[in-house]
Amino acid sequence: DAGITQSPRYKITETGRQVTLMCHQTWSHSYMFWYRQDLGHGLRLIYYSAAADITDKGEVPDGYVVSRSKTENFPLTLESATRSQTSVYFCASSEIQGKGYGYTFGSGTRLTVV
Amino acid sequence: AQSVTQLDSQVPVFEEAPVELRCNYSSSVSVYLFWYVQYPNQGLQLLLKYLSGSTLVKGINGFEAEFNKSQTSFHLRKPSVHISDTAEYFCAVRKQGAQKLVFGQGTRLTINP
Repeated sequence: DAGITQSPRYKITETGRQVTLMCHQTWSHSYMFWYRQDLGHGLRLIYYSAAADITDKGEVPDGYVVSRSKTENFPLTLESATRSQTSVYFCASSEIQGKGYGYTFGSGTRLTVV
Repeated sequence: AQSVTQLDSQVPVFEEAPVELRCNYSSSVSVYLFWYVQYPNQGLQLLLKYLSGSTLVKGINGFEAEFNKSQTSFHLRKPSVHISDTAEYFCAVRKQGAQKLVFGQGTRLTINP
């Protein structure tokens, strides 16, 4: 199906482990984003990408790594998970053209670090 | 840099009553404004957006918002809410020419029967 999909939907991991959250979009949108959602903070931008092989930091990048070897995929890796990274993670995409386009969001990954 | 403040973290209302969710933003340049809705255990969906032109913007599910440049506000309204409107609502701003969206903290709308 067309759209933006995130996997897994739910993940429990232990402190110190590496974990990767996947994001895949089928529109060939140029821009992709990773946000985390925490109570009282709304959504905060972790990393974003303007195109394949182009990534940049957002507001809260520490402890995260991203890559974008293909336009349609934008995985987010927690190199050594900490309890403070327990959160709901949302991936989004956007066209480069179209001044008024908002984002299209995935359904989210709920990550718990124990 | 842009910032967004949603003035109420929670808004309880009775079914069929009107509701207003408040949003203020700050920016030194022209911006585009958005409202998103998040139903329980789901991602965010676009409700409406202001790009230019008429300051009253109509969106899905009977929602509308009014852009007020002098007050730097973009409040969301609905004249009569339903139980199904129970959700979290996010206001967001994007600088013209940029791609990054900046979100407010969210407002949880609870509809009581």
